[in-house]
Amino acid sequence: GAVVSQHPSWVICKSGTSVKIECRSLDFQATTMFWYRQFPKQSLMLMATSNEGSKATYEQGVEKDKFLINHASLTLSTLTVTSAHPEDSSFYICSASTSGVPPDTQYFGPGTRLTVL
Amino acid sequence: AQTVTQSQPEMSVQEAETVTLSCTYDTSESDYYLFWYKQPPSRQMILVIRQEAYKQQNATENRFSVNFQKAAKSFSLKISDSQLGDAAMYFCAYIPTGTASKLTFGTGTRLQVTL
Repeated sequence: GAVVSQHPSWVICKSGTSVKIECRSLDFQATTMFWYRQFPKQSLMLMATSNEGSKATYEQGVEKDKFLINHASLTLSTLTVTSAHPEDSSFYICSASTSGVPPDTQYFGPGTRLTVL
Repeated sequence: AQTVTQSQPEMSVQEAETVTLSCTYDTSESDYYLFWYKQPPSRQMILVIRQEAYKQQNATENRFSVNFQKAAKSFSLKISDSQLGDAAMYFCAYIPTGTASKLTFGTGTRLQVTL
């Protein structure tokens, strides 16, 4: 149980284009989903928190107009990197948690490697 | 602000031996959860073990166990009978209870398992 998928697993795009990454909880309803960014050999950096049907809460320093997050259902959240630039190249990971038991445990997707040329 | 410190950037253990990874944290909260996550080369974050702060008993999950010292704010992970598949980055993480809580990660410890 507690499986989270991400799609695509990797994507290469041209500078200036937009890229959408999907995060799905496959066998549970995720009341909250989180988006992280991970640079090589570093820890995970939280970008934003989203609750189903609500606007996402962004961490300080994260541009909300650049990283659009939509949490349309209890099983799907999307991250859209708009007008991507090479500095946006990174590994993006989503996680999902439920208000059920056990609480506050996040289950992670396999990540998406974004390369912007 | 809550912080999580992993003071060992790299550790090495021989197959079948035991290794302990250290983690300390700083918080003013009394109720919270602590986690160890494993990130192998595939980069999939895998939950290894979970500890509830209000429980004095140390969590155990097969070959993985923790030494939770609440007063000292210490949460170490012991891996027994180490296997080659245990080689990975290990992240300690903390989250206070309640809604809108966020995970705080340590900087990670890279574990190598040698023959």
